[in-house]
Amino acid sequence: EAGVTQFPSHSVIEKGQTVTLRCDPISGHDNLYWYRRVMGKEIKFLLHFVKESKQDESGMPNNRFLAERTGGTYSTLKVQPAELEDSGVYFCASSRVAGGPSQETQYFGPGTRLLVL
Amino acid sequence: DQQVKQNSPSLSVQEGRISILNCDYTNSMFDYFLWYKKYPAEGPTFLISISSIKDKNEDGRFTVFLNKSAKHLSLHIVPSQPGDSAVYFCAASAGVFNDMRFGAGTRLTVKP
Repeated sequence: EAGVTQFPSHSVIEKGQTVTLRCDPISGHDNLYWYRRVMGKEIKFLLHFVKESKQDESGMPNNRFLAERTGGTYSTLKVQPAELEDSGVYFCASSRVAGGPSQETQYFGPGTRLLVL
Repeated sequence: DQQVKQNSPSLSVQEGRISILNCDYTNSMFDYFLWYKKYPAEGPTFLISISSIKDKNEDGRFTVFLNKSAKHLSLHIVPSQPGDSAVYFCAASAGVFNDMRFGAGTRLTVKP
């Protein structure tokens, strides 16, 4: 079974440019999450999709970030325009079901390393 | 506002000894706790979890202890092996939507 994949693995862009990150979850996983880790700090939750719907986007830092999951399969996270503080590692995770006393483990992708210069 | 805290950025232990990684949380609504292990250039991988209805969960060499009154959990690795060297993240979630909050991580180094 293929795991969560993310593209690109690395991205270096200039301040003001646009970058789009892609995440392909494990097939059949309705739940998709985006996280970000900035320079050795904690991994911060960004948002959670259930199929194509945004369940919780409370972690999105500002309106420069736009996440979509059309058709409930892969997801994209667009940063426009990028700022220096957006640099970090962006992780995507997926799970089959969410919540409950035996919460499904989230499977993480390898991350996209974004550097904004 | 960091709701999950791992106050030790690094830990070094000798092979065969016990590794104890600590985690504190502030949100009393958290009811599910997880530990993830991360190798360089890879995403975090699930290691072990515990529900708030338990105070201990064991899986092989890994045991997680939960002290709800102190809002503290710990991960014990016995015996530690060099392959355990990685960054360990503590995570917690509340409610039904499984949105996790992570600590900053502790880098464990197990010396041969």
